[in-house]
Amino acid sequence: EVQLVESGGGLVKPEGSLRLTCAASGYSFAQYDMNWVRQAPGKGLEWVSSITTSSHYIYYADSVKGRFTISRDNARNSLYLQMNSLRAEDTAVYYCAREVGVALRFAHSDIWGQGTMVTVSS
Amino acid sequence: QSVLTQPPSASGTPGQRVTISCSGSSSNIGSNTVNWYQQLPGTAPKLLIYGNNQRPSGVPDRFSGSKSGTSASLAISGLQSEDEADYYCAAWDDSPNGRVFGGGTKLTVL
Repeated sequence: EVQLVESGGGLVKPEGSLRLTCAASGYSFAQYDMNWVRQAPGKGLEWVSSITTSSHYIYYADSVKGRFTISRDNARNSLYLQMNSLRAEDTAVYYCAREVGVALRFAHSDIWGQGTMVTVSS
Repeated sequence: QSVLTQPPSASGTPGQRVTISCSGSSSNIGSNTVNWYQQLPGTAPKLLIYGNNQRPSGVPDRFSGSKSGTSASLAISGLQSEDEADYYCAAWDDSPNGRVFGGGTKLTVL
C-alpha cells in the first residue's frame, strides 16, 4: 500500500525549532517530487515547499523562506521539513504529499499523509 | 488572501448539479494545469480532478473539471449527501515559482 506518514509535530515556543519527517512506503520514493502543505486551524490549504527527486530544485512559499528548509533522503525513503524561528502563525497541520507529473508546473498531489500538528505558543 | 479565488460557500439539494469556480491569472491557471481536491471534515485532502479535467481512478464520473483561459470550474452532478466537504483548486504559479491554492469552497447539501 502506498503510504505517507508524518511525524515530529508538537508544541514549541515562539522562535523555537522543529523537524518534521514524512516516511514513504509502498512505492519508489526517489522517483517522485514531494511537497509540504499546511492548514491552520479552521483555515484553507497553504503550500509550504516543494522538492524535486534529486533535490536539484527546491521552492518555498514567501511566508517560510529563510526559516524553513525542505530536504529528502532517498535512501531512507524520507522527506523532512526543518522549521526554525517559528511563529504563532506557523501553527497548523502539516501534510506531506507526493507529486505526480512531468514537472511541478503540471503535477498534482495524488497521495497525502494524515498530517502532523504543529502548535507554536508560549 | 488566496492567489486563486473561489466562492467561500456553495449549496444544493440531492440530485442537483453544482459548480464551483476558481479564478486565477496568466501566471498560474493561464499557464499551468489545475487540480481539485476534496477535504472531508477531519481528514487529509483527496485528489478529485487533475490536469484540468482528468479523474483519478475511483472518483465517480459525477465529478468533472474544466478550464478556460485563467479560470477553472468543478462541476458535481447528481449531488449526494456524502459530497458535503471543502473543495480546493490548485495550480502552479510561475511568478514566483510555487503552488497556489484557492481559499476553498464549503459545499453544503441541503
